[in-house]
Amino acid sequence: EAQVTQNPRYLITVTGKKLTVTCSQNMNHEYMSWYRQDPGLGLRQIYYSMNVEVTDKGDVPEGYKVSRKEKRNFPLILESPSPNQTSLYFCASSARPGTYNEQFFGPGTRLTVL
Amino acid sequence: AQSVAQPEDQVNVAEGNPLTVKCTYSVSGNPYLFWYVQYPNRGLQFLLKYITGDNLVKGSYGFEAEFNKSQTSFHLKKPSALVSDSALYFCAVRDDRGSTLGRLYFGRGTQLTVWP
Repeated sequence: EAQVTQNPRYLITVTGKKLTVTCSQNMNHEYMSWYRQDPGLGLRQIYYSMNVEVTDKGDVPEGYKVSRKEKRNFPLILESPSPNQTSLYFCASSARPGTYNEQFFGPGTRLTVL
Repeated sequence: AQSVAQPEDQVNVAEGNPLTVKCTYSVSGNPYLFWYVQYPNRGLQFLLKYITGDNLVKGSYGFEAEFNKSQTSFHLKKPSALVSDSALYFCAVRDDRGSTLGRLYFGRGTQLTVWP
């Protein structure tokens, strides 16, 4: 089954404790992206990747890091989480940019930073 | 810059009645528009898209959307609402230029509630 998976689905952590949220897709998609969803703000893009070893900042990249060493994986790293990063996070992927393919979304990771 | 606006935070409709969820857009080039739906505790699911061609686009679950270039709108519609359509709906526009090629810009979302 074609899908985007994220782990963990739920995470409660404390300020300053490094964490990684994994994202994996099995559709051989070039494009991958991370979003955060906050009430009243919709989805805002954090980082995106056009292909392996190609990443760029979205609208709200501060406090986050990403890497794209393999085509299928796009982990989101919070080196020193803070309470304002409490949010619902989504990973998404799509076929190569320049086409008009829709993005496929993972199930989401609900992060709470105390 | 590309952007979309969803002017209604909440839309309420009785089951069996037609529904409309509004979206307006602002783009610097050709508009490539999408609708997504989010059910509780789930990720976003693709509903439909407008790339070019017919102004009326048909999608999943009986939804359709009407593209109107003069009004820069892309409203989501369904002739007869179901209680199971209750969800959060997002309109999005795709960036088709330069270094941000492929990015999606989302509206704030509209919560649709269908009453039995």
